Amino acid sequence: EAQVTQNPRYLITVTGKKLTVTCSQNMNHEYMSWYRQDPGLGLRQIYYSMNVEVTDKGDVPEGYKVSRKEKRNFPLILESPSPNQTSLYFCASSLWRLGGSYEQYFGPGTRLTVT
Amino acid sequence: AQTVTQSQPEMSVQEAETVTLSCTYDTSESDYYLFWYKQPPSRQMILVIRQEAYKQQNATENRFSVNFQKAAKSFSLKISDSQLGDAAMYFCAYRSRRTNAGKSTFGDGTTLTVKP
Repeated sequence: EAQVTQNPRYLITVTGKKLTVTCSQNMNHEYMSWYRQDPGLGLRQIYYSMNVEVTDKGDVPEGYKVSRKEKRNFPLILESPSPNQTSLYFCASSLWRLGGSYEQYFGPGTRLTVT
Repeated sequence: AQTVTQSQPEMSVQEAETVTLSCTYDTSESDYYLFWYKQPPSRQMILVIRQEAYKQQNATENRFSVNFQKAAKSFSLKISDSQLGDAAMYFCAYRSRRTNAGKSTFGDGTTLTVKP
């Protein structure tokens, strides 16, 4: 089954404790992206990757890191989480080649709470 | 930078009636995609419909159709014969087709309530 998986689905942590949210897709998509969703603010893009070893900042990258060492995986790293990073996080992937439809396939979301 | 505006934070519709959700966007590009995504209470993001900017014909998917006005930069979603399962938050989204353009922009969403 074609899908984007994220782990963990729920996480409660404390300020300053490094954490990683994993994202994996099995559709051989070139493009992957991370978003955060906060009430009234829609989805805001954190980072994206056009392909392996190619990443770039979205609109709200501060406090986050990413890496793309393999095509299927795109982990989101919070080196020192703070309470303002409490949010619902989505990973997404899509084709990024000529003729592609460019629609994004989303993971189920990760609910992160930083106390 | 591209922006996407959904001016209706909340909408409601009677079951079996028709409702239109508004979306406007701002871009200097000519080649792009527009999307509507649905987010039900489960929080899963589901693609509803897609429109390529170079196509003049409005996209249709069963009960869902769009009114794409490129010159006006407007992309509204019409839901016909509304069903209780249509109740969700709907997001309008923009993606450039430029090969080096990775940014994707979403509106703030419209919460749709369907009344039985």
